[in-house]
Amino acid sequence: AQSVTQLGSHVSVSEGALVLLRCNYSSSVPPYLFWYVQYPNQGLQLLLKYTTGATLVKGINGFEAEFKKSETSFHLTKPSAHMSDAAEYFCAVSRNTGGFKTIFGAGTRLFVKA
Amino acid sequence: DAGVIQSPRHEVTEMGQEVTLRCKPISGHNSLFWYRQTMMRGLELLIYFNNNVPIDDSGMPEDRFSAKMPNASFSTLKIQPSEPRDSAVYFCASSPGTGRGTGANVLTFGAGSRLTVL
Repeated sequence: AQSVTQLGSHVSVSEGALVLLRCNYSSSVPPYLFWYVQYPNQGLQLLLKYTTGATLVKGINGFEAEFKKSETSFHLTKPSAHMSDAAEYFCAVSRNTGGFKTIFGAGTRLFVKA
Repeated sequence: DAGVIQSPRHEVTEMGQEVTLRCKPISGHNSLFWYRQTMMRGLELLIYFNNNVPIDDSGMPEDRFSAKMPNASFSTLKIQPSEPRDSAVYFCASSPGTGRGTGANVLTFGAGSRLTVL
């Protein structure tokens, strides 16, 4: 079975500050890991993904995440927050089960203060 | 491509009525997913299909829910009879699927169908 835990349902940062959103996963086989972002009244959009290879993954809008197998973590970071980053962020895990079953964490809402 | 298309965008109905939500995946995508999003339960996977075949429906809440994918370009999620606790945003998503390169498992979401059951 696979699962995802996101620590902190809400995170608030000041504009220009570091963004750190935490994600831990559980999977019986090497997983594929993702971060998606959801803006109000929209569907989710892919930020970045880890499949194999380099453990530091860069995504859109300056976000990056590092896959740490020993810690079963895939935390999302951005060096400097922008007001436009305010949204809900979802960590997800998937594996090939005849199609890729994808399970999402509960989500973390990011607030950015001016 | 127009992306994943869902209809209706909003549905308000009364308890006991049948509700049908529709989804057109991206052309060429082999996998289709139905999710439900609520404040209390977050984003739940209801069912997913691969090559039009249901692979895992363990997330379907109960027998009132059913999903079909009669062909590669269309899927429905039906609730009969509907109840107030079914009120949620229902998302459809598709992905290229197995053997389709590094983007095989990347989901593209529709805009969602907001269901309110009174």
